[in-house]
Amino acid sequence: DAKTTQPPSMDCAEGRAANLPCNHSTISGNEYVYWYRQIHSQGPQYIIHGLKNNETNEMASLIITEDRKSSTLILPHATLRDTAVYYCIVRVVSLLFGNEKLTFGTGTRLTIIP
Amino acid sequence: NAGVTQTPKFQVLKTGQSMTLQCAQDMNHEYMSWYRQDPGMGLRLIHYSVGAGITDQGEVPNGYNVSRSTTEDFPLRLLSAAPSQTSVYFCASILEGNFRGLEGNTEAFFGQGTRLTVV
Repeated sequence: DAKTTQPPSMDCAEGRAANLPCNHSTISGNEYVYWYRQIHSQGPQYIIHGLKNNETNEMASLIITEDRKSSTLILPHATLRDTAVYYCIVRVVSLLFGNEKLTFGTGTRLTIIP
Repeated sequence: NAGVTQTPKFQVLKTGQSMTLQCAQDMNHEYMSWYRQDPGMGLRLIHYSVGAGITDQGEVPNGYNVSRSTTEDFPLRLLSAAPSQTSVYFCASILEGNFRGLEGNTEAFFGQGTRLTVV
């Protein structure tokens, strides 16, 4: 699976949009971009994923560049409860067994400031 | 629907002791995995299983054994605990959309973690 690069930490004011970047310049055509977050001491939580089109759900939006070498997770109106470590992962989605591993990096520690 | 349940939440072991971390899911997911999380290291995959009777090694398998006799349970065994195994352990199960022809529709559900200290 392709490696990802994220800034180690970011701050965002409460109520503003939080934009978390991720570089995945070696992504392959069959790899998806996934975002998870981990709130202190809890297990990671799925947020969103996409292949090449921008995606939106009730939690966030995912913007993937046209060349797919980078993406941005957007939390439109950040709250204090969004303070967490955010992980960007790229992985192959295969129809074959045995290729379903999730490889986490160190993520971005997002702090929402009141 | 309990999701993914890990037990215990906290454990202190002496070097050389053995123990089993339990993980159970009630979502009928085929794929389950164990991670450890250490400061500055992110989550690292220990072992994973794509179904009952099938297991494989992840990034850091040494010192750990797993088995998958049922779809629901995926225990992680430490046969002889070492201080280097002090960590927070997370179990995960994945709804793998691939198995149902929904490519890309994958969401991992994680347990609440087990904080293990080996002294």
